Amino acid sequence: GNSVTQMEGPVTLSEEAFLTINCTYTATGYPSLFWYVQYPGEGLQLLLKATKADDKGSNKGFEATYRKETTSFHLEKGSVQVSDSAVYFCALSDLLSFQGGKLIFGQGTELSVKP
Amino acid sequence: DARVTQTPRHKVTEMGQEVTMRCQPILGHNTVFWYRQTMMQGLELLAYFRNRAPLDDSGMPKDRFSAEMPDATLATLKIQPSEPRDSAVYFCASGLVPGHYQPQHFGDGTRLSIL
Repeated sequence: GNSVTQMEGPVTLSEEAFLTINCTYTATGYPSLFWYVQYPGEGLQLLLKATKADDKGSNKGFEATYRKETTSFHLEKGSVQVSDSAVYFCALSDLLSFQGGKLIFGQGTELSVKP
Repeated sequence: DARVTQTPRHKVTEMGQEVTMRCQPILGHNTVFWYRQTMMQGLELLAYFRNRAPLDDSGMPKDRFSAEMPDATLATLKIQPSEPRDSAVYFCASGLVPGHYQPQHFGDGTRLSIL
């Protein structure tokens, strides 16, 4: 079945450091891939998405490239800010399946950025 | 911006009591999801609906949980009787499928504590 695996947290960085959060997936069919972010006390928000191989999703300085050959969708940011402190979830959805629209989430990675 | 609205935001009650959580999806969205988030289990999909019909509720304990959509503007999740292990944050999300993929939009959750 479909699954998503993320690197374990928490990840603690200093402000302006480079961020990478690893995400790998297993899927049948043709999944779309997503990163969601959850700030304290809030629901999840879509950060970025990629719907086919080699697509790059980007938003707010974050980027992730859909790599079919390595089944990966790693999240990166060149210079993190304190305000980026949150939990980040990698997810996939197989739009061609009967259950298209259902998201499979990774376990989440907590990021803490110190001034 | 359109938002998914969940009520109540917080609920504290004693074991054995009935709990009802409500969700107003974004107008026009045809898919509604219920998730439960705990530190131990992470984010779990409990049930979801397409055009108000239940599509998958395999993640939900059937003996005490029930989910319904009385109309297109209201989804409910009920627990009867509640138990301390049900303490968690419950999220509702809505989306629009199929066709051009629209991300799931999450509410801010109901934080449930069962004493």
